[in-house]
Formats: sequence, structure tokens, C-alpha cells
Amino acid sequence: EPEVTQTPSHQVTQMGQEVILRCVPISNHLYFYWYRQILGQKVEFLVSFYNNEISEKSEIFDDQFSVERPDGSNFTLKIRSTKLEDSAMYFCASSRDRGLYEQYFGPGTRLTVT
Amino acid sequence: DQQVKQNSPSLSVQEGRISILNCDYTNSMFDYFLWYKKYPAEGPTFLISISSIKDKNEDGRFTVFLNKSAKHLSLHIVPSQPGDSAVYFCAATPLEYGNKLVFGAGTILRVKS
Repeated sequence: EPEVTQTPSHQVTQMGQEVILRCVPISNHLYFYWYRQILGQKVEFLVSFYNNEISEKSEIFDDQFSVERPDGSNFTLKIRSTKLEDSAMYFCASSRDRGLYEQYFGPGTRLTVT
Repeated sequence: DQQVKQNSPSLSVQEGRISILNCDYTNSMFDYFLWYKKYPAEGPTFLISISSIKDKNEDGRFTVFLNKSAKHLSLHIVPSQPGDSAVYFCAATPLEYGNKLVFGAGTILRVKS
């Protein structure tokens, strides 16, 4: 069964450094997402991406964040200058299209900012 | 942000019995609702969904009920199995706004054998 994959599974970085989290969505899916879950808190929406542009973003997704689909398979989340409060599990998800289509999540990348 | 609430942090049921997980929402713009299951150190796994034009959707042991007037949905698992032990998240989306999912806090389900 097709699945969303994410790399790395765990990333440790120092405050102020740039990180890139990578995702390979399910191959015939058109809509891509990033969510995060800070320890002990809810899963929060960050951004959705469709047709090579951002469809919707949350207030969390400020200028420090960017997303890109550099080729036909990868979908990346870049954090330009990490802060301690960026430490969280980051989940990538994809759906076949917009509308009544469920989102399938990857296993997550645990980002630890020290 | 309390748009989606799961008021029971945990639920314990006996194997073979019914598990009922509840979820309330406040945003009347929500028109698609989903349940996810999550094990530790894994991503959420899609279980079942329902659109706002329906009041029930069934898939095997899982049934989701939607009461729009009460802004309430529930997930029924019958019969419950020990492998169902996980955290269950309710999520909702206003489809018009980029399909973003708004999650509840989750309910830990323990199925005792």
C-alpha cells in the first residue's frame, strides 16, 4: 500500500540554524500538507500546497518557513533560522485532491532545537 | 483554539465490547470530519470520514455518527480489540479553506483483554 515517507526521522539542530525536512507524498496525490505537534499539544496545521503554490497557511507559518516541491516526488519544509520553540514532531501529509479526500500522514520528523 | 474538542482524555473498555469516542465542534463552517488513530512515534493513520451531508458512515468495525444540530460526532468501534489501543483524534475541515484539518486533543483508548 502506498505511503507517505519522511526523512530524517530525527533531526537535532542548534538555534539559528536552517533545517530542511523532506517528504515523499503518495505518488498520485495532488495536495500536500505540513502539520506539527509540540509535545503535549494538539496536532496543528502549518500549510497546504496545491498546483505548485501555497493554498492556505496558518499564523504559525511565518517568514521563517517555506515549502517547495523541487521535483516530481519530494516536498520539503524549510525553517530558515530555528528557534527553541520550533522543537516538535513535523508531519507531512498528502491527499488525492482537494475536497472530500482523506489526508494520509507520514511517520513524522522529530525536530529538536538546542 | 478550541474549535474541536475531545472532552474525554482516556477511555478503557473490555475486549469485545463497544468503544464510543466523542467529539464536539464549534465552527459551523466545518463540513468534512475525519477520525485518525495514532500509535506512539508514528504519524496519524486515517480511519474513517464523514461529510456534513450524511449522518452516518460505516466501514467494517468502525462507524461514525454526525449530529450537525448538536455539532457532535462519535466513533463507534464494535467489537473492540486489544490492537485498537491507541490515541484517537477527531479532525474537521472547512473544505473551502485549503483542506486544513483542525484536530482535537485526542482520546487514549485502552482495550483490555
